[in-house]
Amino acid sequence: DAGITQSPRHKVTETGTPVTLRCHQTENHRYMYWYRQDPGHGLRLIHYSYGVKDTDKGEVSDGYSVSRSKTEDFLLTLESATSSQTSVYFCAISDPDSNTGELFFGEGSRLTVL
Amino acid sequence: AQRVTQPEKLLSVFKGAPVELKCNYSYSGSPELFWYVQYSRQRLQLLLRHISRESIKGFTADLNKGETSFHLKKPFAQEEDSAMYYCALSPRYSTLTFGKGTMLLVSP
Repeated sequence: DAGITQSPRHKVTETGTPVTLRCHQTENHRYMYWYRQDPGHGLRLIHYSYGVKDTDKGEVSDGYSVSRSKTEDFLLTLESATSSQTSVYFCAISDPDSNTGELFFGEGSRLTVL
Repeated sequence: AQRVTQPEKLLSVFKGAPVELKCNYSYSGSPELFWYVQYSRQRLQLLLRHISRESIKGFTADLNKGETSFHLKKPFAQEEDSAMYYCALSPRYSTLTFGKGTMLLVSP
C-alpha cells in the first residue's frame, strides 16, 4: 500500500462544531485530494492540491476548506459541521510525472455529525 | 463538464457466470478512463486503465468512443470478485471524476 494515513479514522461530533481531518503521505507525491463517499453518489471531489499552498475547489467544496503547508500533509476542515457532512472521507495522492493518472487512496475517515 | 454514468447500483451473478459492469461517459475531448475497485475493508485501488489495454484478475475493458462506453468484463466470475467497482474519467492532466459505483455480488 502507498504510504498514506488518515486521522482520525472515526469521529462523531455535533452540529456546529469544527472538525479537521488529516492526510499524511510518505510518497512525496505532488498532488493530493479529498473525496467524500456517499451511497448513491459514489466519490465526489471536495478539494485538491497540486503543491504546497496551491489548492483548488472540487465538485462539492461548499462548507469545506483545506490547507497544505507541507508536501506530506493535506488538512480538510469543516468550519461548522452539519448533518449533511456525515460521510466517509477519502484522501488520495498522485504523481503527475508518472503519466499513469493513478490515484492512491487512504483507508478513509468515517465522520458522523449528530 | 465530464460525467460518468454507471447505470447499475447492484449486479448479482453466480460463480462462473460472465460479468459486464457498464460505464458510459460524456466528455467532448479524449479522456483517460479507469476502473477502480474497493474490496470489503480494503482501500480503493486501481483495477485497470484503458490506455494500458491490459487484463487484470481476468477483467478487461474496451474503450468504445462511438458509444462513449468503457464496460468492464470478465468471462467467469469468482466469489473473490465481489466488491464495489467505480468507473472514472480524467481529462488529460486534470482531476478524476467517478461514477456512482456498482456493487458486484458473486454467489457460490
